[in-house]
Amino acid sequence: GAGVSQSPRYKVTKRGQDVALRCDPISGHVSLYWYRQALGQGPEFLTYFNYEAQQDKSGLPNDRFSAERPEGSISTLTIQRTEQRDSAMYRCASSLGTSGTYTYEQYFGPGTRLTVT
Amino acid sequence: TQLLEQSPQFLSIQEGENLTVYCNSSSVFSSLQWYRQEPGEGPVLLVTVVTGGEVKKLKRLTFQFGDARKDSSLHITAAQPGDTGLYLCAGAQGGGSNYKLTFGKGTLLTVNP
Repeated sequence: GAGVSQSPRYKVTKRGQDVALRCDPISGHVSLYWYRQALGQGPEFLTYFNYEAQQDKSGLPNDRFSAERPEGSISTLTIQRTEQRDSAMYRCASSLGTSGTYTYEQYFGPGTRLTVT
Repeated sequence: TQLLEQSPQFLSIQEGENLTVYCNSSSVFSSLQWYRQEPGEGPVLLVTVVTGGEVKKLKRLTFQFGDARKDSSLHITAAQPGDTGLYLCAGAQGGGSNYKLTFGKGTLLTVNP
């Protein structure tokens, strides 16, 4: 079946512009995660949704970053007034669900490479 | 903040050699996962270890979770060029926060033919 898809795959924007990154999770996956991954580093947690509810946004760097998942499926990560330091790979992942005692496998998308000039 | 330190950061070996990469922390994790990431792709889960002292084998890969659940190792026997990639460990905090994975920086493995 189809995996996690993200669009666009590459985005170049000028400093100060707003960008919206889209994530389409695997069908039926309840949980959705956003990560940021710098070159040569592991992914860094940004935010997490269970269905449409944003359960944890503690990893969002500042209030220019926001995310939504209005119908519990597709999610959008929005960065307002982009800055050069926002340049990175933004990855989305989805999983069947979450549990207090078990870590479900997270399936990662190919990412959106954001470059702010 | 829970940190995972991975070592070595880079590893280049010849086909057929054995290797071990390490993932260490001062914090206890409820579970630990190992991922492999190829260029241009997202990380792909290899294994999840949950119990202290647990050993799991996946073909030529052997994963071990430390007794205290603070560290883990990945051993590859007779490495092949297809094993080349970035190996990431990720720990889950537990206590209702099993969704939140803390990733290490990874070990970039190159297996030369």
